[in-house]
Amino acid sequence: ETGVTQTPRHLVMGMTNKKSLKCEQHLGHNAMYWYKQSAKKPLELMFVYNFKEQTENNSVPSRFSPECPNSSHLFLHLHTLQPEDSALYLCASSPGLDYEKLFFGSGTQLSVL
Amino acid sequence: GESVGLHLPTLSVQEGDNSIINCAYSNSASDYFIWYKQESGKGPQFIIDIRSNMDKRQGQRVTVLLNKTVKHLSLQIAATQPGDSAVYFCAENPNSGNTPLVFGKGTRLSVIA
Repeated sequence: ETGVTQTPRHLVMGMTNKKSLKCEQHLGHNAMYWYKQSAKKPLELMFVYNFKEQTENNSVPSRFSPECPNSSHLFLHLHTLQPEDSALYLCASSPGLDYEKLFFGSGTQLSVL
Repeated sequence: GESVGLHLPTLSVQEGDNSIINCAYSNSASDYFIWYKQESGKGPQFIIDIRSNMDKRQGQRVTVLLNKTVKHLSLQIAATQPGDSAVYFCAENPNSGNTPLVFGKGTRLSVIA
């Protein structure tokens, strides 16, 4: 148990659906991250929040929309996704915005049909 | 492009033997390095980290070695156990904590009982 919980663990959605991924951390950290993990590729940073404020948007398409209502919760809203968006989406947190020693959740395995 | 890479995509070792997983980096300004372990169905889990002012750091059954001259990082696992089977990622911080970690693609370690 890493202290970072992601739901759902698995998600199958059509290209016209709207869904949301949820992440909650119980570590008292101030920074939270969304990463995308595709087969045979390095982890790709998508978004970074520090004290609820977005500090990084790594050229992510607008069909991915993050939301951070407080330092413990992070959402990723999905709409009109493409099949190539199928991947493992990982949430992480860290004590501060130093990008070091990230604590990851178990991820949401997303399949877009 | 990606500055962190791994020499071998897969590694098989006999149970009880020592494992060595290698990683090359290209950014000589990187001053922080970290190893993660990712088991099937789980998110990456922190193993050990090292700063550039050190060349060796030991944890429980794991040792990280840093050779700044040749920009090489390695993870040594002593007395490898079946539970060590996983994908191992190295990552570097190219800018003293002000930029996101750059992850390698990972090496899959398989332990033969």
